[in-house]
Amino acid sequence: DAGITQSPRHKVTETGTPVTLRCHQTENHRYMYWYRQDPGHGLRLIHYSYGVKDTDKGEVSDGYSVSRSKTEDFLLTLESATSSQTSVYFCAISRVGHEQFFGPGTRLTVL
Amino acid sequence: DQQVKQNSPSLSVQEGRISILNCDYTNSMFDYFLWYKKYPAEGPTFLISISSIKDKNEDGRFTVFLNKSAKHLSLHIVPSQPGDSAVYFCAASGQDHPYSGGGADGLTFGKGTHLIIQP
Repeated sequence: DAGITQSPRHKVTETGTPVTLRCHQTENHRYMYWYRQDPGHGLRLIHYSYGVKDTDKGEVSDGYSVSRSKTEDFLLTLESATSSQTSVYFCAISRVGHEQFFGPGTRLTVL
Repeated sequence: DQQVKQNSPSLSVQEGRISILNCDYTNSMFDYFLWYKKYPAEGPTFLISISSIKDKNEDGRFTVFLNKSAKHLSLHIVPSQPGDSAVYFCAASGQDHPYSGGGADGLTFGKGTHLIIQP
């Protein structure tokens, strides 16, 4: 257990509405990540953060923004949700080195 | 362009036998490789990793082999147990971040292999 929680765990929303997913860690780690998992694609990196207010884009960042105002929280925002953003979203943290540890995931459905 | 490939979507193995999961990569900048296990409705769980300076790493029933010249790695599970039934993801990391020296810019994953252990 890496001390990572995600909220909400499930969400159904409508196209065009804003959505914010929250990742919270209790271990004070510097690096945090957001991935999405889709059938036939494995996990793909959306954005990551290497410190408070320090973020960078990943492979599939279009349509997403992130914020990190505190070490323990990393927020993922869909400004205007689309059906293509229906997915399972995973947050991860990195302690030291390359290994990453994942949260339980948020299942998002955009109708 | 897929940089990490797991060409077998599924694999069925009898309980007690060896399970071998394969992974190929194309990016020569990758220098660290990881295997994750995932059950339905849960997050991926880190299993084992290997640095590019090694060709083998062992942890209990799990062994990862790396063949750099072939850009290929494999995960061996011996003996296979019913609880090993899950989706296994191969992942790779490259660029070291100046703050940690680790691959902090994120992992590149394969599409996964669904391992089914038959009783």
